[in-house]
Amino acid sequence: NAGVTQTPKFRVLKTGQSMTLLCAQDMNHEYMYWYRQDPGMGLRLIHYSVGEGTTAKGEVPDGYNVSRLKKQNFLLGLESAAPSQTSVYFCASRPRGTGTSGYEQYFGPGTRLTVT
Amino acid sequence: GENVEQHPSTLSVQEGDSAVIKCTYSDSASNYFPWYKQELGKRPQLIIDIRSNVGEKKDQRIAVTLNKTAKHFSLHITETQPEDSAVYFCAAPSTRSNDYKLSFGAGTTVTVRA
Repeated sequence: NAGVTQTPKFRVLKTGQSMTLLCAQDMNHEYMYWYRQDPGMGLRLIHYSVGEGTTAKGEVPDGYNVSRLKKQNFLLGLESAAPSQTSVYFCASRPRGTGTSGYEQYFGPGTRLTVT
Repeated sequence: GENVEQHPSTLSVQEGDSAVIKCTYSDSASNYFPWYKQELGKRPQLIIDIRSNVGEKKDQRIAVTLNKTAKHFSLHITETQPEDSAVYFCAAPSTRSNDYKLSFGAGTTVTVRA
């Protein structure tokens, strides 16, 4: 199994350009997440999904949109990139789980995005 | 949502010594506390977690302790080795919804000196 993969690994955008980051998982996980990681700020949740066709806002959703048309894919879109969106983006997934198991989140390798 | 504070932000230890990282959380209903390790340029990976029905859990050189009354939990690394150098994140779930989002601490950069 490939686990969680992300495309692309690196990207440089100019202010105002748009792009889509792709996250794919082959573990049949229900939940998927998009985080951004900035120095000294840990991992902050952008958007998440609890199942195919559903999405919800996280802690820092402004400037981003997401879609989950297929269970295995979770797309993160930037409609008009800004320098403040320069960051490392991580996707994660986990099974639905119960009160005693299944809470571990499995992370992708990350996408380093620079907006100039 | 859950507010997780993590201390210290950086920690330098001599090889063979112990390292301790502490996190506090705000939601008394939280019941699951994971620790993730992120090596330089790599993805975060779960190293240990604890649920609210136990006070301590060990896995070889790492252990996590939980104090629900005080709402804090700690990661203990004994006999540190160079490969323990990494950024460590604690987390706690948001229990106000049923979808178990995690709130992460800001991270602790651990450096093990040879």
